[in-house]
Amino acid sequence: ETGVTQSPTHLIKTRGQQVTLRCSSQSGHNTVSWYQQALGQGPQFIFQYYREEENGRGNFPPRFSGLQFPNYSSELNVNALELDDSALYLCASSLDPVEPQHFGDGTRLSIL
Amino acid sequence: GENVGLHLPTLSVQEGDNSIINCAYSNSASDYFIWYKQESGKGPQFIIDIRSNMDKRQGQRVTVLLNKTVKHLSLQIAATQPGDSAVYFCAESPVRFGNEKLTFGTGTRLTIIP
Repeated sequence: ETGVTQSPTHLIKTRGQQVTLRCSSQSGHNTVSWYQQALGQGPQFIFQYYREEENGRGNFPPRFSGLQFPNYSSELNVNALELDDSALYLCASSLDPVEPQHFGDGTRLSIL
Repeated sequence: GENVGLHLPTLSVQEGDNSIINCAYSNSASDYFIWYKQESGKGPQFIIDIRSNMDKRQGQRVTVLLNKTVKHLSLQIAATQPGDSAVYFCAESPVRFGNEKLTFGTGTRLTIIP
C-alpha cells in the first residue's frame, strides 16, 4: 500500500512569487488536509478537502488556496509569498473526515 | 484562545524503561484526540487515537489515557527502544468537525538513553 507522497521535497522561492505543492493521497483515502509546520513547532491546520470540496479551514489568509482532484490527489497554492511562509508543508490523507490522518514527509519551502 | 499544550518539552528515558508523555488541552468541546510521532526529516506518524467516550485505549506497547475532568491526555510507551526517540505531538479536534480541525501541541522530545 502506497503512503502519502508529496512533491517536491525541497523548494526555494523569493518574496512575491507563487508556489504550488502537490500531494498524492494514500490509496482509498478521499480526504486530504494540509498543514504548515514552522521549525520547532507543531503543525498548524490550513484546510481540508473531502471529495473535492473544502471541508474546513484554519486561520490562514486567502492567498493560501487548494484543490482536490477526482483521483483525490491535491494541491496547495500560495500566492504573494512572504518570508514567514518558510516552513515544512505537510499533507495528510484519511479514509474519511472522521478517520485518523496519515501524513506525508512534507515539502520544505524556503523563502528568500 | 483555546490551545493544546504539553507539560514537558523534553524527556530522557533509559532504554527498557517505560515513558509517559503528558498533554493538557483547554477546549472543553474537544472530542477526538490523537498522538503522533515525528522523527527528524519525516512527517508525523500516527500512533494511537481516542474519542471522548473512552478513558483508555491500548495499542502495541502504547497506551493513551484521557481524563476529561482535568482535560489531560497522556501517552505511555512501554519498554522503550532507541527507535522511540522522536518528537511526540498530541492533537485534538472538536466533535462536530470530525477530525479535520486538528490542533497540535508544541511537542515533547523523547530521548532514549542506551
